[in-house]
Amino acid sequence: ETGVTQTPRHLVMGMTNKKSLKCEQHLGHNAMYWYKQSAKKPLELMFVYNFKEQTENNSVPSRFSPECPNSSHLFLHLHTLQPEDSALYLCASSQDQRTYEQYFGPGTRLTVT
Amino acid sequence: DQQVKQNSPSLSVQEGRISILNCDYTNSMFDYFLWYKKYPAEGPTFLISISSIKDKNEDGRFTVFLNKSAKHLSLHIVPSQPGDSAVYFCAASGEAGANNLFFGTGTRLTVIP
Repeated sequence: ETGVTQTPRHLVMGMTNKKSLKCEQHLGHNAMYWYKQSAKKPLELMFVYNFKEQTENNSVPSRFSPECPNSSHLFLHLHTLQPEDSALYLCASSQDQRTYEQYFGPGTRLTVT
Repeated sequence: DQQVKQNSPSLSVQEGRISILNCDYTNSMFDYFLWYKKYPAEGPTFLISISSIKDKNEDGRFTVFLNKSAKHLSLHIVPSQPGDSAVYFCAASGEAGANNLFFGTGTRLTVIP
């Protein structure tokens, strides 16, 4: 595998479910990101991790819980989501926190029913 | 309030002609700008960038122009090829740090053979 991978690619969950999104980067990067893209809206930064430490939480509701066990893996744990949370969730990585160029995974299309 | 705006949701261009994609921003503290390209079912891929100390950056068929006084940047693709058909996102970063990119909503470019 190369680049940034995300699983699952599609997820349908009920509002009472608990699920997790997984991201893995094979680029040797030290910064990882979660973004949300809703229909007709720009990508919104959710969380940033640098060297496994969370450095940014962009006022994200607590029903989204990130986890970064090492520099290569990033998870987004989901619980008691709302239908308006349905969106494309993109993971990205960059060399470090001073590097502008970010490399994105293909995204997880989430539908909350 | 959106700090990066792409006011044209779509653009169609004949193969071989020039494609010009536009982006406006409101935050005068932005000092680095990037263009990303996104194919369906894939994540955005980095295309080209420009620092605010320059007004032009060229990479093969792609050139980005920055007009700081107008808070405007544009991406020129010449000659346009059918494989360039994709959604193009403009992004900007500044005082909040390299990690914090602000994206536009994208412009869908269609290059007609």
